[in-house]
Amino acid sequence: QQQVKQSPQSLIVQKGGISIINCAYENTAFDYFPWYQQFPGKGPALLIAIRPDVSEKKEGRFTISFNKSAKQFSLHIMDSQPGDSATYFCAATFSKAAGNKLTFGGGTRVLVKP
Amino acid sequence: NAGVTQTPKFRVLKTGQSMTLLCAQDMNHEYMYWYRQDPGMGLRLIHYSVGEGTTAKGEVPDGYNVSRLKKQNFLLGLESAAPSQTSVYFCASRMSGSKYEQYFGPGTRLTVT
Repeated sequence: QQQVKQSPQSLIVQKGGISIINCAYENTAFDYFPWYQQFPGKGPALLIAIRPDVSEKKEGRFTISFNKSAKQFSLHIMDSQPGDSATYFCAATFSKAAGNKLTFGGGTRVLVKP
Repeated sequence: NAGVTQTPKFRVLKTGQSMTLLCAQDMNHEYMYWYRQDPGMGLRLIHYSVGEGTTAKGEVPDGYNVSRLKKQNFLLGLESAAPSQTSVYFCASRMSGSKYEQYFGPGTRLTVT
C-alpha cells in the first residue's frame, strides 16, 4: 500500500528546460513533505522541503508547489542542467508519527540532455 | 566527520546464509533507520530506532532483525537470506526534535543467489 504516489517514473528534458515531478498523498495527517535527490551510487540527500501552511517554496532553481485540497505536491526544476540528472523522491511524514517515519514515493529518474 | 557509513558496500550471499549489515553515524543522532530500495518501489522502511536500546518495525520487517546496542551503531541482520532480499540497503539517521531531515549512508548492494 503506497501512500505517496509519484509520477512520472522517468523523464528526459533538454538543458535549460523545466522538469516537473508530481506526487499525490492519501493521509491528511501528513504535515511535512520533503524531496530527496539521489545520484547514482550514492544515498539520497535532502533537496528541499515544505509544510502545508505555505503553497510554494523556492530554493534556487528548485520549487515545491503544494495543493492541500487536492492532496498533491510537485517539484519544479527550472533551467535544468546536466548536473541535475538524478533520481528524485518525494516523501511525507507527520509530526505525531512514531519515529517520524518518512513514506517515500516510487522515485523519478531525471535525465537532462546537454 | 564521516556522517553515516555502511559496511560492507557489496555482498553476494547464497540462499539460506546469514549476514549483518553495519551502520555507523558520528553525528550523535537519536534516530536511525534501515531502508531497502528496489526499482519503482522507492525506499521502504524495514526497521527503525528512536534511541539506544530501542527498535521498532517499519513497513517491510519480515526476514530482518536489528539491534541498537550503542547510540552510534544500528545493525541489520538477515538470518536466512532469500532471493527476494536482493536489494540496495540504506541506513539513515536524524536528530531528535522538529527537524525531520534524514542523513543517508552510501548504501549496501546485496545479491542473494
